[in-house]
Amino acid sequence: GAVVSQHPSRVICKSGTSVKIECRSLDFQATTMFWYRQFPKQSLMLMATSNEGSKATYEQGVEKDKFLINHASLTLSTLTVTSAHPEDSSFYICSARATSVITGELFFGEGSRLTVL
Amino acid sequence: DAKTTQPPSMDCAEGRAANLPCNHSTISGNEYVYWYRQIHSQGPQYIIHGLKNNETNEMASLIITEDRKSSTLILPHATLRDTAVYYCIALRSGGGADGLTFGKGTHLIIQP
Repeated sequence: GAVVSQHPSRVICKSGTSVKIECRSLDFQATTMFWYRQFPKQSLMLMATSNEGSKATYEQGVEKDKFLINHASLTLSTLTVTSAHPEDSSFYICSARATSVITGELFFGEGSRLTVL
Repeated sequence: DAKTTQPPSMDCAEGRAANLPCNHSTISGNEYVYWYRQIHSQGPQYIIHGLKNNETNEMASLIITEDRKSSTLILPHATLRDTAVYYCIALRSGGGADGLTFGKGTHLIIQP
């Protein structure tokens, strides 16, 4: 199946710093990528939809100035957590849908665990 | 997308078939039923999806009732590595721009 890769898989940073997480579709082109956040023992929550070449669409309650999303190419989307605080510590997961697929199958990355000290 | 309801947890003995139910009584005619699973600290993994007919692949079988109000995911010979949270999701056909909405899923525990 299609492969989506995230980097880094784990990151620890100090409060107030910014962290960038990359999401790549390795063997297909993805017009649309999605970013999710998952807190311990909770389900995945959709944060934003990332569209190649245009601005991301954020879900209600997600601060667009804090979670910067860039989707500059059909194979790469980045999520930058700006001025991170301990409450931003979470498991961040990206997903992508191959442009040729119309029935909705999404492929997910391995996830990136962010710990803010 | 239609709301789905799943039991919060289930146990199954290793080697036995694991049958995971999902209710989606408000599903509309153009909504597919998708199943994903998430092993601890990993991203979700696609398992199978279907619209009306029963489906089978190398991982599992999906049985959808004739009225489409419920479905069952069957793992024919469960192994310890099948321990995970299983999510049943309804998604409309052509929903290429839609992200998946995850509920709480079923935590399946395979017992040795």
